[in-house]
Amino acid sequence: GQQLNQSPQSMFIQEGEDVSMNCTSSSIFNTWLWYKQDPGEGPVLLIALYKAGELTSNGRLTAQFGITRKDSFLNISASIPSDVGIYFCAGPTTSGTYKYIFGTGTRLKVLA
Amino acid sequence: NAGVTQTPKFRILKIGQSMTLQCTQDMNHNYMYWYRQDPGMGLKLIYYSVGAGITDKGEVPNGYNVSRSTTEDFPLRLELAAPSQTSVYFCASSYRTGSAEAFFGQGTRLTVV
Repeated sequence: GQQLNQSPQSMFIQEGEDVSMNCTSSSIFNTWLWYKQDPGEGPVLLIALYKAGELTSNGRLTAQFGITRKDSFLNISASIPSDVGIYFCAGPTTSGTYKYIFGTGTRLKVLA
Repeated sequence: NAGVTQTPKFRILKIGQSMTLQCTQDMNHNYMYWYRQDPGMGLKLIYYSVGAGITDKGEVPNGYNVSRSTTEDFPLRLELAAPSQTSVYFCASSYRTGSAEAFFGQGTRLTVV
């Protein structure tokens, strides 16, 4: 079946540093989503991308829809302690636009 | 602004017991979903619904059942609980076809012993 691979699996960074993570798929997606999950909470949508090559920002977060449509990237600039959490990419399965599959997540820890 | 509400937040079940996880949303969303999240893993889709009276299987439906009698409610039923169903369960909803803007509840942490 379809899989979304996220890299890195986890990372420790110093406060103030920039962070980059990516998500790759074995098949083409027409939508890419980035969610963040705080400990003990449900995921919250950060950014949605609908078009190949699209670059979208949300505050210190910037995400890009890869040209090949098989990957997406999320960057966080000037990280702060509240950025800690798990970042998931997600996209609709080919069998129907209602069903989304999620990557395994990138766990971010920010050292003050 | 309630959004998506799940109950209970925590539950311990014995093997073979049954229970229903409740989910309700007040955003008039047509699409609702149930996911499970195992430790250190992403979310796996169990069942989804595109409207009242319509449900369909996701990636991991075995051992679960759902119903959607109203737009607001989408309960998940576990029959004959097994240790493999120990997980955190999330309900979500969205308001249009293929919508990226899925809103999640806070989750139900279930342990089967």
